[in-house]
Amino acid sequence: QQQVKQSPQSLIVQKGGISIINCAYENTAFDYFPWYQQFPGKGPALLIAIRPDVSEKKEGRFTISFNKSAKQFSLHIMDSQPGDSATYFCAASAHNTDKLIFGTGTRLQVFP
Amino acid sequence: DAGVTQSPTHLIKTRGQQVTLRCSPKSGHDTVSWYQQALGQGPQFIFQYYEEEERQRGNFPDRFSGHQFPNYSSELNVNALLLGDSALYLCASSFDPRNTGELFFGEGSRLTVL
Repeated sequence: QQQVKQSPQSLIVQKGGISIINCAYENTAFDYFPWYQQFPGKGPALLIAIRPDVSEKKEGRFTISFNKSAKQFSLHIMDSQPGDSATYFCAASAHNTDKLIFGTGTRLQVFP
Repeated sequence: DAGVTQSPTHLIKTRGQQVTLRCSPKSGHDTVSWYQQALGQGPQFIFQYYEEEERQRGNFPDRFSGHQFPNYSSELNVNALLLGDSALYLCASSFDPRNTGELFFGEGSRLTVL
């Protein structure tokens, strides 16, 4: 019940295309859903996050879509760029705690 | 403004040895969490320190212990190292564990156990 399932494991996208990464969870106590970006040799960096009171959040080229009834959320990267090539992790945490449960990661490669 | 800093960046140990990893949180942060990231996996929560006490703990054995100092910096200690302890150990800081706000991660300490 504590798991966050992430797919796909890897993704190859052409420059300018849309990258979509999906996550699903079981624990209904989760109420904070961040996405982290990690480059090789670096720690994860927060990209964008959403709470269940909204169904979508957009920041620049990055959008989170959230479906509370299906217990699923996804990251959309519009106009994907080679500099977006990294590993992306979804995560979730329950209220009153910042203990994050991470997905297994998606390695994104954007080719010019 | 310095972010989260960790030391050492890389280290090699042999089975049965002990290791201490160090973390200085981002300025203004009072909560430190430690995560273990095995190769090709997502980070897994080890434990969290707030007000110099362990507040939460993940599914890790007692060989993993920690400490938080009055200046909010923290140490992670691992005793009786196993080959499976080889991983990137990430420190993350935040302000108040109840805020569920942004976690800032350091670049990690890569531990190799031979």
